[in-house]
Amino acid sequence: EAGVTQSPRYAVLQEGQAVSFWCDPISGHDTLYWYQQPRDQGPQLLVYFRDEAVIDNSQLPSDRFSAVRPKGTNSTLKIQSAKQGDTATYLCASSLGGNSDYTFGSGTRLLVI
Amino acid sequence: GQQVQQSPASLVLQEGENAELQCNFSSTATRLQWFYQHPGGRLVSLFYNPSGTKHTGRLTSTTVTNERRSSLHISSSQTTDSGTYFCAIESTGANTGKLTFGHGTILRVHP
Repeated sequence: EAGVTQSPRYAVLQEGQAVSFWCDPISGHDTLYWYQQPRDQGPQLLVYFRDEAVIDNSQLPSDRFSAVRPKGTNSTLKIQSAKQGDTATYLCASSLGGNSDYTFGSGTRLLVI
Repeated sequence: GQQVQQSPASLVLQEGENAELQCNFSSTATRLQWFYQHPGGRLVSLFYNPSGTKHTGRLTSTTVTNERRSSLHISSSQTTDSGTYFCAIESTGANTGKLTFGHGTILRVHP
């Protein structure tokens, strides 16, 4: 069974540029999560979906970040006008019904200079 | 909101020594997981253990729910155990899978 797939693996931007991250969850997993992991910290939830619906985006900086999952499968996280403080690894995870089968992708490392 | 405290922040061992990692949380957890992250790698779930004791290989997780703590014991450590160990909890009981992570314990095992 394929795991959670993320791309790109790395991204380097200048401040003010935009970037998109893509996630393909495990087939059949209805719940998809985006986490932000700053260096030397634990992951912090940004947003999560149940099928195509956003369940919680309270920690997503809405002025510059957006996330979609239009068909309830793949998802895209976009940062408009990146800032140096956005430098982190962005992790995608999926699960079935929010239960214990919780699988992470390998993440996208973002550096904003 | 929910807080998760892990200790120690870092730990250095000689190969063969045992390790005890601690996780304390601020309110009752209905779900608790231990994850391992290799440097530069993905997070891998080690245990889903909201209560009681579970074993897999050289790893043992014990969660005492009413005391709001969990531990991860690594016996006979190996250099390949090096990495960061995270404790994560969900407290709402709504089966959302919305996890709050601690800051992690960085483990270094020297040969």
